[in-house]
Amino acid sequence: ILNVEQSPQSLHVQEGDSTNFTCSFPSSNFYALHWYRWETAKSPEALFVMTLNGDEKKKGRISATLNTKEGYSYLYIKGSQPEDSATYLCAFGGGFKTIFGAGTRLFVKA
Amino acid sequence: DTGVSQNPRHKITKRGQNVTFRCDPISEHNRLYWYRQTLGQGPEFLTYFQNEAQLEKSRLLSDRFSAERPKGSFSTLEIQRTEQGDSAMYLCASSTGGENGQPQHFGDGTRLSIL
Repeated sequence: ILNVEQSPQSLHVQEGDSTNFTCSFPSSNFYALHWYRWETAKSPEALFVMTLNGDEKKKGRISATLNTKEGYSYLYIKGSQPEDSATYLCAFGGGFKTIFGAGTRLFVKA
Repeated sequence: DTGVSQNPRHKITKRGQNVTFRCDPISEHNRLYWYRQTLGQGPEFLTYFQNEAQLEKSRLLSDRFSAERPKGSFSTLEIQRTEQGDSAMYLCASSTGGENGQPQHFGDGTRLSIL
């Protein structure tokens, strides 16, 4: 059974703090690793898709790294802002074989 | 707005009733997915269409659930004889074809509450 684990489950930080989350996934039969951001009352929004070991992607203050050999990805947020408050989902695989983690719920306090 | 559209946004119904949800994907996307999400969990795959063909169904999808995409455009998900355990957020997503690196574009979901 393929399992995608995310940690921590939730995280409370102050505005301006930098933070990071972990996504662990099976290291065999790797297709792709996706990160999504899901704000309350909105739809999940794609942040990054990573397909190669060692990939690093960046979008503004958010960045992600990928290690397919050991089966983990990190998502970093530099200088958290209240608008970063959301659930961050990672997803392993692709197409109909996509398996989502339970997400990390980030709360950024002003 | 040319994103994925789902309706209704909310549905409250009594146990035993049938419900139907609709999803309009991004027009040029040939792949369409349905997911179910419950509190504290990530989206859980239910079924997948490529154009009008339903190519994959989760074992979790009981025979009370049926999905269609008759013309390869919009899709409907029907739940018959609803049970309290069906209460969840039902998400639809679409993507282009090609390799597995394509991100999925999600709708806002339909939240189903069974009384």
